[in-house]
Amino acid sequence: EDQVTQSPEALRLQEGESSSLNCSYTVSGLRGLFWYRQDPGKGPEFLFTLYSAGEEKEKERLKATLTKKESFLHITAPKPEDSATYLCAVQSTSGGYNKLIFGAGTRLAVHP
Amino acid sequence: DTGVSQDPRHKITKRGQNVTFRCDPISEHNRLYWYRQTLGQGPEFLTYFQNEAQLEKSRLLSDRFSAERPKGSFSTLEIQRTEQGDSAMYLCASSAYPQETQYFGPGTRLLVL
Repeated sequence: EDQVTQSPEALRLQEGESSSLNCSYTVSGLRGLFWYRQDPGKGPEFLFTLYSAGEEKEKERLKATLTKKESFLHITAPKPEDSATYLCAVQSTSGGYNKLIFGAGTRLAVHP
Repeated sequence: DTGVSQDPRHKITKRGQNVTFRCDPISEHNRLYWYRQTLGQGPEFLTYFQNEAQLEKSRLLSDRFSAERPKGSFSTLEIQRTEQGDSAMYLCASSAYPQETQYFGPGTRLLVL
């Protein structure tokens, strides 16, 4: 069964304190791995898509990487406005028309 | 590009009532998805349309749920005889083939009393 596990569940950082969020996945075949940001009471906002092991994507203070079993979202020198829940999702090559399978997310709080 | 829109944003109803939500996808996106999200969890897939055809429906979706996309543009999700367990955020997303990226709307938060 396709599955996504994110860790930690919650993370508290001081402004400027870099860290990484983990997304471990089990799929029969990976079509793509997606990172989203979600603010309270809002829909997920797309950040990155990764398709193959070794691929990396960057956007401002965020960098996403992918291996055959997990993905990391690295946050460099975070600011309070980076506080949000970060969701990881996968698309599997087996079964289903492109549906996303999500993890439970990591709640990030960045304090000044 | 105005993004995915959903209406209403909030809905409070009593147990046993029917509710209907609307989703307008990004224009020219031919794929549309419905997800449900409960507190502290990631979104969970409900159903998927390609143009007007409903191609997949989650096994978790009871017969009380029905979705339509009559002209391949907007979509509606109806819940009949609502139960307290239906309380959740209902999210709509759209994508354009062959792009895989799904763009989400703001969601409709449902509270069943």
